[in-house]
Amino acid sequence: KQEVTQIPAALSVPEGENLVLNCSFTDSAIYNLQWFRQDPGKGLTSLLLIQSSQREQTSGRLNASLDKSSGRSTLYIAASQPGDSATYLCAVSGGGFKTIFGAGTRLFVKA
Amino acid sequence: DAGVIQSPRHEVTEMGQEVTLRCKPISGHNSLFWYRQTMMRGLELLIYFNNNVPIDDSGMPEDRFSAKMPNASFSTLKIQPSEPRDSAVYFCASRGLAGGTSTDTQYFGPGTRLTVL
Repeated sequence: KQEVTQIPAALSVPEGENLVLNCSFTDSAIYNLQWFRQDPGKGLTSLLLIQSSQREQTSGRLNASLDKSSGRSTLYIAASQPGDSATYLCAVSGGGFKTIFGAGTRLFVKA
Repeated sequence: DAGVIQSPRHEVTEMGQEVTLRCKPISGHNSLFWYRQTMMRGLELLIYFNNNVPIDDSGMPEDRFSAKMPNASFSTLKIQPSEPRDSAVYFCASRGLAGGTSTDTQYFGPGTRLTVL
């Protein structure tokens, strides 16, 4: 059974700092891995999607990496801003495209 | 496109009542997902459809829950009878799988916040 763990559960950083969010999964037989952002009281917004054959994806200040063999992914946020404050969720899709989410990392960027 | 549309946005009902949540996926998407989010359990996949056919409903908690997708543009999640422990935010998401990587992305609706008293 696939399990997805995100560390840390919460993170508070000063504006401008570079930071890394971690995601690990127990079954390496995945189809893809996706990082989402969720603002309080809102739905989820897709940030980056990495196919199982890829090693990383970049979008603006965001970079996500995938090491399928070790069951790990990281989301790197460069030059953090107060607007980055949100909960970040990692989700893996496996056979049949069933998607399993981690519990999320709650990020607070202080101005 | 307006994105995934869910209704109602908020629902307050009494225990024992029937609740119906609605979802309109993004036009052209052929997969639809229903999720439930609670503080205790996080985001859980309840059921997903591919081309209007239920593929995996192993996440549906019990027989009180049922989901239908009568056509490509509409789906419902019904709870009958509702119980206080069903209180949660229910999300619908859709995805268009046409071979390209960008279409593997799931697009989420704003959710329905359900409170069962």
